[in-house]
Amino acid sequence: NAGVMQNPRHLVRRRGQEARLRCSPMKGHSHVYWYRQLPEEGLKFMVYLQKENIIDESGMPKERFSAEFPKEGPSILRIQQVVRGDSAAYFCASSLRNSGRGTDTQYFGPGTRLTVL
Amino acid sequence: SQKIEQNSEALNIQEGKTATLTCNYTNYSPAYLQWYRQDPGRGPVFLLLIRENEKEKRKERLKVTFDTTLKQSLFHITASQPADSATYLCALEKGSGNTGKLIFGQGTTLQVKP
Repeated sequence: NAGVMQNPRHLVRRRGQEARLRCSPMKGHSHVYWYRQLPEEGLKFMVYLQKENIIDESGMPKERFSAEFPKEGPSILRIQQVVRGDSAAYFCASSLRNSGRGTDTQYFGPGTRLTVL
Repeated sequence: SQKIEQNSEALNIQEGKTATLTCNYTNYSPAYLQWYRQDPGRGPVFLLLIRENEKEKRKERLKVTFDTTLKQSLFHITASQPADSATYLCALEKGSGNTGKLIFGQGTTLQVKP
Protein backbone atom coordinates (compact mmCIF):
# COMPACT_ATOMS: atom_id res chain seq x y z
CA ASN A 1 0.00 0.00 0.00
CA ALA A 2 1.72 3.14 -1.19
CA GLY A 3 1.99 5.96 1.27
CA VAL A 4 1.02 9.58 0.77
CA MET A 5 2.61 10.90 -2.40
CA GLN A 6 3.47 14.47 -3.12
CA ASN A 7 4.88 16.07 -6.22
CA PRO A 8 6.94 17.76 -7.12
CA ARG A 9 9.43 17.20 -4.31
CA HIS A 10 11.17 20.45 -5.12
CA LEU A 11 9.68 23.46 -6.87
CA VAL A 12 11.41 26.70 -7.79
CA ARG A 13 9.37 29.71 -8.79
CA ARG A 14 10.09 33.36 -9.42
CA ARG A 15 8.15 36.03 -7.62
CA GLY A 16 4.73 36.51 -9.19
CA GLN A 17 4.47 33.02 -10.66
CA GLU A 18 2.01 30.35 -9.61
CA ALA A 19 2.88 27.23 -7.65
CA ARG A 20 0.81 24.05 -7.80
CA LEU A 21 1.48 21.34 -5.26
CA ARG A 22 -0.12 17.92 -5.60
CA CYS A 23 -0.97 15.31 -3.02
CA SER A 24 -2.26 11.79 -3.53
CA PRO A 25 -3.55 10.35 -0.25
CA MET A 26 -3.05 6.80 0.86
CA LYS A 27 -5.36 4.31 -0.77
CA GLY A 28 -8.76 4.39 0.89
CA HIS A 29 -8.16 7.71 2.65
CA SER A 30 -10.70 10.42 1.95
CA HIS A 31 -9.40 13.09 4.33
CA VAL A 32 -6.51 15.33 3.33
CA TYR A 33 -4.68 17.98 5.36
CA TRP A 34 -2.09 20.52 4.26
CA TYR A 35 0.59 21.91 6.58
CA ARG A 36 3.38 24.40 6.05
CA GLN A 37 6.77 24.28 7.73
CA LEU A 38 8.86 27.41 7.58
CA PRO A 39 12.60 27.19 8.25
CA GLU A 40 13.28 26.80 11.97
CA GLU A 41 9.56 26.68 12.74
CA GLY A 42 7.05 23.98 13.50
CA LEU A 43 4.38 22.58 11.25
CA LYS A 44 1.41 24.88 10.87
CA PHE A 45 -2.03 23.65 9.83
CA MET A 46 -3.38 25.23 6.67
CA VAL A 47 -6.47 23.39 5.42
CA TYR A 48 -8.51 20.20 5.86
CA LEU A 49 -10.44 18.76 2.94
CA GLN A 50 -12.63 15.82 2.18
CA LYS A 51 -13.56 14.82 -1.33
CA GLU A 52 -15.05 17.90 -3.05
CA ASN A 53 -15.37 19.77 0.26
CA ILE A 54 -13.26 22.17 2.25
CA ILE A 55 -13.89 21.37 5.90
CA ASP A 56 -11.58 23.85 7.61
CA GLU A 57 -9.39 26.44 5.93
CA SER A 58 -8.75 28.54 9.01
CA GLY A 59 -4.98 28.20 8.67
CA MET A 60 -4.76 29.29 5.09
CA PRO A 61 -3.91 32.89 4.12
CA LYS A 62 -7.00 34.63 2.81
CA GLU A 63 -5.36 35.74 -0.41
CA ARG A 64 -3.38 33.92 -3.09
CA PHE A 65 -3.82 30.47 -1.51
CA SER A 66 -6.46 27.94 -2.46
CA ALA A 67 -6.93 24.20 -2.10
CA GLU A 68 -9.12 21.58 -3.64
CA PHE A 69 -9.68 17.85 -3.43
CA PRO A 70 -11.73 16.82 -6.46
CA LYS A 71 -13.79 13.68 -6.78
CA GLU A 72 -11.11 12.23 -9.02
CA GLY A 73 -7.42 12.96 -8.83
CA PRO A 74 -5.06 14.41 -6.27
CA SER A 75 -5.55 17.27 -3.88
CA ILE A 76 -4.05 20.51 -5.14
CA LEU A 77 -2.64 23.39 -3.11
CA ARG A 78 -2.35 26.43 -5.31
CA ILE A 79 -0.38 29.56 -4.53
CA GLN A 80 -0.83 32.45 -6.89
CA GLN A 81 1.65 35.30 -7.34
CA VAL A 82 4.21 33.73 -5.04
CA VAL A 83 6.39 35.90 -2.83
CA ARG A 84 9.69 35.07 -1.12
CA GLY A 85 7.88 34.53 2.18
CA ASP A 86 6.05 31.57 0.65
CA SER A 87 9.32 29.61 0.54
CA ALA A 88 8.76 26.67 2.83
CA ALA A 89 8.15 22.94 2.96
CA TYR A 90 4.53 22.04 2.33
CA PHE A 91 3.35 18.73 3.72
CA CYS A 92 0.22 16.84 2.94
CA ALA A 93 -1.28 14.25 5.27
CA SER A 94 -4.19 11.89 4.87
CA SER A 95 -6.36 9.86 7.21
CA LEU A 96 -8.85 7.08 6.80
CA ARG A 97 -11.76 8.90 8.41
CA ASN A 98 -12.33 11.53 11.02
CA SER A 99 -14.61 9.78 13.42
CA GLY A 100 -14.62 12.38 16.16
CA ARG A 101 -12.46 12.84 19.24
CA GLY A 102 -9.38 12.47 17.12
CA THR A 103 -8.99 8.76 16.72
CA ASP A 104 -7.52 8.84 13.24
CA THR A 105 -3.84 9.01 12.64
CA GLN A 106 -2.60 11.35 9.96
CA TYR A 107 0.03 9.95 7.63
CA PHE A 108 2.34 12.45 6.06
CA GLY A 109 3.87 12.67 2.62
CA PRO A 110 7.51 13.57 1.96
CA GLY A 111 6.67 17.22 1.33
CA THR A 112 7.23 19.72 -1.45
CA ARG A 113 10.00 22.22 -0.90
CA LEU A 114 9.05 25.49 -2.53
CA THR A 115 11.75 28.06 -3.20
CA VAL A 116 10.74 31.47 -4.45
CA LEU A 117 13.53 33.42 -6.11
CA SER B 1 -3.37 31.92 24.59
CA GLN B 2 -2.97 28.31 23.53
CA LYS B 3 0.57 27.00 23.40
CA ILE B 4 2.44 23.77 22.88
CA GLU B 5 6.02 23.87 24.03
CA GLN B 6 8.84 21.46 23.48
CA ASN B 7 12.39 21.99 24.58
CA SER B 8 13.96 23.84 21.68
CA GLU B 9 17.45 22.93 22.76
CA ALA B 10 18.88 19.80 21.21
CA LEU B 11 19.17 16.80 23.48
CA ASN B 12 22.50 14.99 23.28
CA ILE B 13 22.82 11.61 24.94
CA GLN B 14 25.09 8.59 24.84
CA GLU B 15 24.08 5.42 23.07
CA GLY B 16 22.32 3.00 25.38
CA LYS B 17 20.92 5.69 27.68
CA THR B 18 17.27 6.67 27.96
CA ALA B 19 16.21 9.83 26.18
CA THR B 20 13.33 11.80 27.70
CA LEU B 21 11.59 14.53 25.74
CA THR B 22 8.95 16.86 27.16
CA CYS B 23 5.81 18.38 25.68
CA ASN B 24 3.88 20.96 27.69
CA TYR B 25 0.65 22.62 26.65
CA THR B 26 -1.54 25.40 28.00
CA ASN B 27 -5.17 26.31 27.44
CA TYR B 28 -5.99 23.07 25.65
CA SER B 29 -8.07 20.13 26.70
CA PRO B 30 -6.96 17.60 24.10
CA ALA B 31 -8.69 14.29 23.72
CA TYR B 32 -5.37 12.78 22.67
CA LEU B 33 -1.77 13.60 21.98
CA GLN B 34 0.50 12.22 19.29
CA TRP B 35 4.23 11.94 18.84
CA TYR B 36 5.93 12.04 15.46
CA ARG B 37 9.50 11.63 14.27
CA GLN B 38 10.90 13.84 11.54
CA ASP B 39 14.20 13.31 9.77
CA PRO B 40 15.87 16.14 7.80
CA GLY B 41 14.20 16.67 4.45
CA ARG B 42 11.39 14.25 5.18
CA GLY B 43 7.81 14.29 6.36
CA PRO B 44 6.80 13.45 9.93
CA VAL B 45 6.33 9.79 10.72
CA PHE B 46 3.67 8.80 13.25
CA LEU B 47 4.98 7.00 16.33
CA LEU B 48 2.41 6.87 19.11
CA LEU B 49 -0.99 8.22 20.09
CA ILE B 50 -2.12 8.44 23.71
CA ARG B 51 -5.63 9.30 24.79
CA GLU B 52 -6.68 11.52 27.68
CA ASN B 53 -7.83 8.53 29.72
CA GLU B 54 -4.52 6.69 29.26
CA LYS B 55 -1.64 7.37 31.61
CA GLU B 56 1.01 5.51 29.68
CA LYS B 57 1.55 3.78 26.36
CA ARG B 58 4.42 1.65 25.12
CA LYS B 59 5.67 0.51 21.75
CA GLU B 60 8.91 -1.44 21.65
CA ARG B 61 11.58 0.91 23.07
CA LEU B 62 9.21 3.87 23.16
CA LYS B 63 7.09 4.98 26.09
CA VAL B 64 4.74 7.94 26.29
CA THR B 65 3.03 9.33 29.38
CA PHE B 66 0.17 11.81 29.46
CA ASP B 67 -0.64 13.86 32.56
CA THR B 68 -3.73 15.99 31.93
CA THR B 69 -3.39 17.62 35.34
CA LEU B 70 0.13 18.82 34.66
CA LYS B 71 -0.76 19.32 30.98
CA GLN B 72 2.35 17.44 30.02
CA SER B 73 3.46 14.47 27.98
CA LEU B 74 6.82 12.75 28.33
CA PHE B 75 8.34 10.70 25.51
CA HIS B 76 10.99 8.16 26.42
CA ILE B 77 13.32 6.15 24.20
CA THR B 78 15.09 3.43 26.13
CA ALA B 79 18.37 1.84 25.06
CA SER B 80 18.81 4.66 22.59
CA GLN B 81 20.72 4.12 19.35
CA PRO B 82 22.38 6.52 16.90
CA ALA B 83 19.55 5.68 14.46
CA ASP B 84 17.14 7.33 16.90
CA SER B 85 18.73 10.70 16.13
CA ALA B 86 15.97 12.88 14.67
CA THR B 87 13.55 15.65 15.57
CA TYR B 88 10.56 14.55 17.63
CA LEU B 89 7.29 16.43 17.43
CA CYS B 90 4.29 16.34 19.71
CA ALA B 91 0.87 17.25 18.36
CA LEU B 92 -2.58 17.94 19.77
CA GLU B 93 -5.88 18.14 18.04
CA LYS B 94 -7.27 21.64 18.21
CA GLY B 95 -10.93 21.89 19.00
CA SER B 96 -13.40 19.60 20.66
CA GLY B 97 -13.13 16.70 18.34
CA ASN B 98 -13.66 15.88 14.69
CA THR B 99 -11.70 18.88 13.49
CA GLY B 100 -8.71 17.01 12.11
CA LYS B 101 -6.55 20.03 12.84
CA LEU B 102 -3.30 19.04 14.49
CA ILE B 103 -1.30 21.65 16.35
CA PHE B 104 2.40 20.80 16.52
CA GLY B 105 5.12 21.77 18.91
CA GLN B 106 8.30 23.10 17.37
CA GLY B 107 10.08 19.81 18.00
CA THR B 108 13.09 18.67 19.96
CA THR B 109 16.16 17.40 18.14
CA LEU B 110 17.70 14.31 19.65
CA GLN B 111 21.30 13.38 18.95
CA VAL B 112 22.47 9.95 20.12
CA LYS B 113 26.23 9.60 20.15
CA PRO B 114 27.85 6.19 19.68
